[in-house]
This record gives sequence, C-alpha cells and structure tokens, in this order.
Amino acid sequence: DAGVIQSPRHEVTEMGQEVTLRCKPISGHNSLFWYRQTMMRGLELLIYFNNNVPIDDSGMPEDRFSAKMPNASFSTLKIQPSEPRDSAVYFCASSFIPTETQYFGPGTRLLVL
Amino acid sequence: KQEVTQIPAALSVPEGENLVLNCSFTDSAIYNLQWFRQDPGKGLTSLLLIQSSQREQTSGRLNASLDKSSGRSTLYIAASQPGDSATYLCAVRHNTDKLIFGTGTRLQVFP
Repeated sequence: DAGVIQSPRHEVTEMGQEVTLRCKPISGHNSLFWYRQTMMRGLELLIYFNNNVPIDDSGMPEDRFSAKMPNASFSTLKIQPSEPRDSAVYFCASSFIPTETQYFGPGTRLLVL
Repeated sequence: KQEVTQIPAALSVPEGENLVLNCSFTDSAIYNLQWFRQDPGKGLTSLLLIQSSQREQTSGRLNASLDKSSGRSTLYIAASQPGDSATYLCAVRHNTDKLIFGTGTRLQVFP
C-alpha cells in the first residue's frame, strides 16, 4: 500500500487566496483525520471523519476552514480566504477504526504571504 | 482539559546510550496512548500503542510503559543509534476518537 497520500506537498500563496489541500487515505481505512502543526501550538486536530461523515469539527479554527469527504478514498481541506497565520504544516491521517493506530501522510507545508 | 507534557524538550546523547523519554498527562481516564516518531520535514510514524489495560509494549529496541493512575508513560530506547535522531511525540486518547499530542522531545544521537 502507498500509505496516506497528500497533495500538494508545498503550497505558497498570497493572503486572500483560496487554498485546497487533498488527502487520499489508506484503502480500507474508515477514519480520516486532519491535523495542523505549528511551532507555537504543536499538533492540533482540526476535524475527523468516520465512514465519510464528519464526527468532530471542534478544532476547525473558524469559518474560513471547511473539510469534505465525498467518498472513502478522498478528502479535502479548504481555506478561503487564507491568512498569514494559517501558515503551517497540515497532516492527514487515517485509521482502520477511530481508536486504533493512525497512519500519517507526509504533510502539506503551507505558506501564506 | 487534557494536557500532555513531554520532558525533556531536547536531548543529545552519544551513540550506544540507553535513554528514557517521559510523557505525562493530566487526565488519567485515557483509552490508550501512542508514541510517534517524526523526522524533519516528514509525517509521523507510529512506534507503539498501549491500551489503557496494558502496562507496557515492546518493539525491537523500544519499550513503552504506561502508569495510568499517575498519568505517566515512558519510552525507553536501548543502545541508541544516530538513526534514532528525530522528534518523539506521545499522544493520548480518551473514549472519543481524538488524539491529544504532547509537546515532543527532540532527540539527537551523535556518533
């Protein structure tokens, strides 16, 4: 298996632009998680899905952030409009069931100028 | 609110040393605890997962212990190697599906 796949790996954009991050979980995994990592706040859970349904989005910082999972093999995290404080590494992870080992993708490094 | 702390924040040791990384958490009502490794610019790799009913887990040179009542876990690395250099993160899970991550320990093992 190729593991969790994320794209793009790097994204540089200007403030106010829309940013879309993509994730393909490991085949057969039913749970998908979006995290954000910064030096100041460490690794934070933004939202997670179970069987394509959003279960907990309490970590989503504000209305500028949205996430979708239209099917079991694809998810997106969208930021519109982006701001410099959104600059971070965004990770996607998946697991077979929510309470077991999570497998992380390589991350998307986002820089908002 | 669960808080997870890791001590030390950074550690530098010569190759061959045995070392211990510490993780403490404020709410002992956890479902399980997981240790991860993160290499620079990379994602996280799961090392060990300990269920709340377990006391320890072992994988190769790694041994993780859990003392739920005192809110502590340790990761023991035997005979450290330069390839072990990375940031090590612990994360706890309650009955929900959320992982709460610690602050991490940055380890450097020099030849």
